Amino acid sequence: AQKITQTQPGMFVQEKEAVTLDCTYDTSDPSYGLFWYKQPSSGEMIFLIYQGSYDQQNATEGRYSLNFQKARKSANLVISASQLGDSAMYFCAMREGQGYSTLTFGKGTMLLVSP
Amino acid sequence: DGGITQSPKYLFRKEGQNVTLSCEQNLNHDAMYWYRQDPGQGLRLIYYSQIVNDFQKGDIAEGYSVSREKKESFPLTVTSAQKNPTAFYLCASSMDRSTDTQYFGPGTRLTVL
Repeated sequence: AQKITQTQPGMFVQEKEAVTLDCTYDTSDPSYGLFWYKQPSSGEMIFLIYQGSYDQQNATEGRYSLNFQKARKSANLVISASQLGDSAMYFCAMREGQGYSTLTFGKGTMLLVSP
Repeated sequence: DGGITQSPKYLFRKEGQNVTLSCEQNLNHDAMYWYRQDPGQGLRLIYYSQIVNDFQKGDIAEGYSVSREKKESFPLTVTSAQKNPTAFYLCASSMDRSTDTQYFGPGTRLTVL
């Protein structure tokens, strides 16, 4: 079974609207972390937001928020007030266990923001 | 400026040749990682290192080798044993053990002709 599933290959949103990118995960480890990265066409991976499995509140970073539903094993990224510069690939990733560890990535969602 | 640098950005090699990809960081991060990305795919881990002179294999280590002689540097060698080396290679580093948030370099696109 895939550990990280992103079911939306592509999403469209109009500028200034909010958009939700879906991510579900699968792990039996009680300690884990969930990440979202943005990859523009230049190729670099840009860290957006982190949610720990024991965090009580949903993570927020500026226009990004993570809708963490532990029982459903979902960690959706919400981008508010979309901008043209948000057009990119978005990857959900998970770290299992504690300390330095490896990240398992989903296959990504391409977001296109239209004027 | 602090950050992670990878060079070169584009690299072309003939089949059967070994090639070394550079990754340097001046962030004083302990851990460093190498990932491979194929078109339309997420990243897959090749090798990672938590400390100097120590490294571990990731999911797709066959045909690759690494060294970690200095904290700042984690070069990746793509050997002739790697059957399909054409890909985008990303290096990352991390210093926060509690979250292991990884920060990435700009990547190297390797094409083997």
